[in-house]
Amino acid sequence: KQEVTQIPAALSVPEGENLVLNCSFTDSAIYNLQWFRQDPGKGLTSLLLIQSSQREQTSGRLNASLDKSSGRSTLYIAASQPGDSATYLCAVSLTSGSRLTFGEGTQLTVNP
Amino acid sequence: DAGITQSPRHKVTETGTPVTLRCHQTENHRYMYWYRQDPGHGLRLIHYSYGVKDTDKGEVSDGYSVSRSKTEDFLLTLESATSSQTSVYFCAISYGRGTSGANVLTFGAGSRLTVL
Repeated sequence: KQEVTQIPAALSVPEGENLVLNCSFTDSAIYNLQWFRQDPGKGLTSLLLIQSSQREQTSGRLNASLDKSSGRSTLYIAASQPGDSATYLCAVSLTSGSRLTFGEGTQLTVNP
Repeated sequence: DAGITQSPRHKVTETGTPVTLRCHQTENHRYMYWYRQDPGHGLRLIHYSYGVKDTDKGEVSDGYSVSRSKTEDFLLTLESATSSQTSVYFCAISYGRGTSGANVLTFGAGSRLTVL
């Protein structure tokens, strides 16, 4: 059974700092990995999707990397802003169109 | 949340009563999912659908049933609600197979259910 772990559970940083969120998964035979953002009381918003054949994806200040062999992904946020405060979740799928297995998320607070 | 509407957004009910949550999409996506989100458990898949009348169980399907009679609607029913089903329920859609973009999930805003 695929298990996804995110460490740390919570992170507080000053504005402007670069930071890394970690995600690990137990079954390396994944199809893709996605990073999501969730604001309090809201649904999830997809940030980045990395196919199993890819090593990284970038969108603006966000960069996600994938190391399938070690079962790890990182989400790098450059020059963090208070608006980045949210919970970040990673999720993996084993096949196209299949259900995702989610981590519990990292709650990020960026202090002005 | 564009293209996905969940209803009701909030509901309080009593143990033993039936409850139906509705997910409506305007994107004509093939895949639809119901997740529940609980502290300490994260998001867990309840049921999903890969087409009209085609559904399958997720990891926490006991006590839940689903129906999909039209592409745009995916209903989640709790036949007899229990306090352990108090949770926030999220619907998600994707158009599946093919390009990487096909697998991106779009989530609804959630339905908060309290079972007393």
